[in-house]
Amino acid sequence: EPEVTQTPSHQVTQMGQEVILRCVPISNHLYFYWYRQILGQKVEFLVSFYNNEISEKSEIFDDQFSVERPDGSNFTLKIRSTKLEDSAMYFCASRQQYEQYFGPGTRLTVT
Amino acid sequence: QKEVEQDPGPLSVPEGAIVSLNCTYSNSAFQYFMWYRQYSRKGPELLMYTYSSGNKEDGRFTAQVDKSSKYISLFIRDSQPSDSATYLCAVNNNAGNMLTFGGGTRLMVKP
Repeated sequence: EPEVTQTPSHQVTQMGQEVILRCVPISNHLYFYWYRQILGQKVEFLVSFYNNEISEKSEIFDDQFSVERPDGSNFTLKIRSTKLEDSAMYFCASRQQYEQYFGPGTRLTVT
Repeated sequence: QKEVEQDPGPLSVPEGAIVSLNCTYSNSAFQYFMWYRQYSRKGPELLMYTYSSGNKEDGRFTAQVDKSSKYISLFIRDSQPSDSATYLCAVNNNAGNMLTFGGGTRLMVKP
């Protein structure tokens, strides 16, 4: 069964550094999402992406964040200058019709 | 008022019991309702997706939506220890839009 994959599974970075989280959505899906989950808290929406542009974003998704689909398979989330409060699980999701399917997540630890 | 609320649990039941998990939401604009299962430090796994009020059944799982009360439920029959996880409800107001998640209910099924 096709699934969303994410790399790396765990990323440790120092405050102020740039990180890029990578996702490979399900191959025939056209809509892509990033969510995050701070430890012990709710899953929160960050951004949605369709047809090579952002279709919706939350207040969390400020100028420090960007998304890109650099080729036909990858979907990336970049955080330009990480802060301690960016430490969280980051989930990529994709959909073809209505249901959103999630990847296993990247655990980002900012020290 | 929080948009989507769930009792955090934990809910502990013996193997074979019928489990009832519940979620309330505040915004009547929400039209689409999902249940996800999340194992510790893993991505949310889609279990059920419903659109209208009423019941939807899939194997041991039944999702129930009551839009008039803004109340959604997930029933698990013949619960198994492998069902032990956190169950997240999620809603959106238009198919494919950002999902708003509840905080999740932690379920423990004891052998």
